[in-house]
Amino acid sequence: QQQVKQSPQSLIVQKGGISIINCAYENTAFDYFPWYQQFPGKGPALLIAIRPDVSEKKEGRFTISFNKSAKQFSLHIMDSQPGDSATYFCAASISSGTYKYIFGTGTRLKVLA
Amino acid sequence: DTAVSQTPKYLVTQMGNDKSIKCEQNLGHDTMYWYKQDSKKFLKIMFSYNNKELIINETVPNRFSPKSPDKAHLNLHINSLELGDSAVYFCASSQGRQRSGANVLTFGAGSRLTVL
Repeated sequence: QQQVKQSPQSLIVQKGGISIINCAYENTAFDYFPWYQQFPGKGPALLIAIRPDVSEKKEGRFTISFNKSAKQFSLHIMDSQPGDSATYFCAASISSGTYKYIFGTGTRLKVLA
Repeated sequence: DTAVSQTPKYLVTQMGNDKSIKCEQNLGHDTMYWYKQDSKKFLKIMFSYNNKELIINETVPNRFSPKSPDKAHLNLHINSLELGDSAVYFCASSQGRQRSGANVLTFGAGSRLTVL
C-alpha cells in the first residue's frame, strides 16, 4: 500500500527526443506527487510536482501527467538534452501526515548527443 | 552559502567502528531528515525531526542514533558499523506544510560511507 512503483529502471534517449518515466501508487490517501532529479555526486532536487486535483502540470520542457482513477502519474521531458542525463525519482506523500515521502526506485536517464 | 550541508562528504572505515555524520541547514526549516541511498539508488527514509522532536523512526537498527541539538542541526551516529551500512546518507530539510499543502524537501549533497 505504501509503495510507489517506477519504470523503466533506465532509459536512453536521443537528443531532441521525448523521455517518459512512469509511476504507479496504491494508497489513495497520497495527495502530493513530486519528481526529483539527481545528478551524480549530488543530492536529489525538486524538479516539478503535482496535486491530484489537476491532470497535468507543465514547467518548461517538463510535464507531469496525472491519472487519478488509474493511480498513475508520469514525467515527460520534451526536447531531451544531454544536460538532462540524471536519475529521476517520483515520490508521493500525504499532506496531513508526518511529512513522510515514499520514493520510487529511480530511473537513470541518459540523453545521447 | 550551502542550504543543507553535510560533513564529511566521504567516510571510509573498518567494520565495528563508530562514526558520525553531521548536518546543518541554514534555511530556517523546522523539519530535518536522514535518508539512506543504497548502491541501487533506492532512497529510504530513516528518521525525521520536527523542532528537535523525533517524528519519523523507520525500521532501522538501533545502532543508528539520530540527535538534533537544535532545529538547524541533525546528526547521525552509527555504532558497530557493518558492511551493509555502506551507502550514501542524505540529510534533508523542509519547512513543513506550506500554503499549498506541499512539503518540499531540500537535500544535502550526501555523505558516502564505505565500510571495509
